[in-house]
Amino acid sequence: EDKVVQSPLSLVVHEGDTVTLNCSYEVTNFRSLLWYKQEKKAPTFLFMLTSSGIEKKSGRLSSILDKKELSSILNITATQTGDSAIYLCAAYLEWSYQLTFGKGTKLSVIP
Amino acid sequence: GAGVSQSPSNKVTEKGKDVELRCDPISGHTALYWYRQSLGQGLEFLIYFQGNSAPDKSGLPSDRFSAERTGGSVSTLTIQRTQQEDSAVYLCASSATGANYGYTFGSGTRLTVV
Repeated sequence: EDKVVQSPLSLVVHEGDTVTLNCSYEVTNFRSLLWYKQEKKAPTFLFMLTSSGIEKKSGRLSSILDKKELSSILNITATQTGDSAIYLCAAYLEWSYQLTFGKGTKLSVIP
Repeated sequence: GAGVSQSPSNKVTEKGKDVELRCDPISGHTALYWYRQSLGQGLEFLIYFQGNSAPDKSGLPSDRFSAERTGGSVSTLTIQRTQQEDSAVYLCASSATGANYGYTFGSGTRLTVV
């Protein structure tokens, strides 16, 4: 059975801290890994990672995929209260159209 | 439209009643997906549409669940004889081709069965 596991499940940090969120996957026919941010209800797309070792960056957020370790990390530097959200990781498989999601990491950034 | 629109945003229903949830995808997006998110759980795939066809309905949890899409646009997810375990947020997403471009999600419908 295809599986995506995220850790930690929840995390509380202070503004200005740097955080690293983890995602590991055990899936057949892996194609790419996606990260989403879910603040209220609608998850919003952050990154799609296909190639191992190539970092994607957007402002204070960055992510990298390690295909050998079947994992990905999402880094957020200089966290702000607006970063508080659930961060979802999902695997996209070859010859498929659905995403297999992890349960998410709930990040709370306190002032 | 500019984004994926779902209605209603919240629905409270009595156990045993039928409910219809609506999704209006981004104009021109041929692929449409329904997911369910229960408390503390990840997103669970329900069904996928390519145009008006649903090649994969395997995620629908029971025969009380059905979905249709008309005109390659609006989709309706129907749950018959609702049960308390159906309580969840139902999310719709659309994409231009496949998930490799990343979905655009709607804000979801929070369904509460009492």
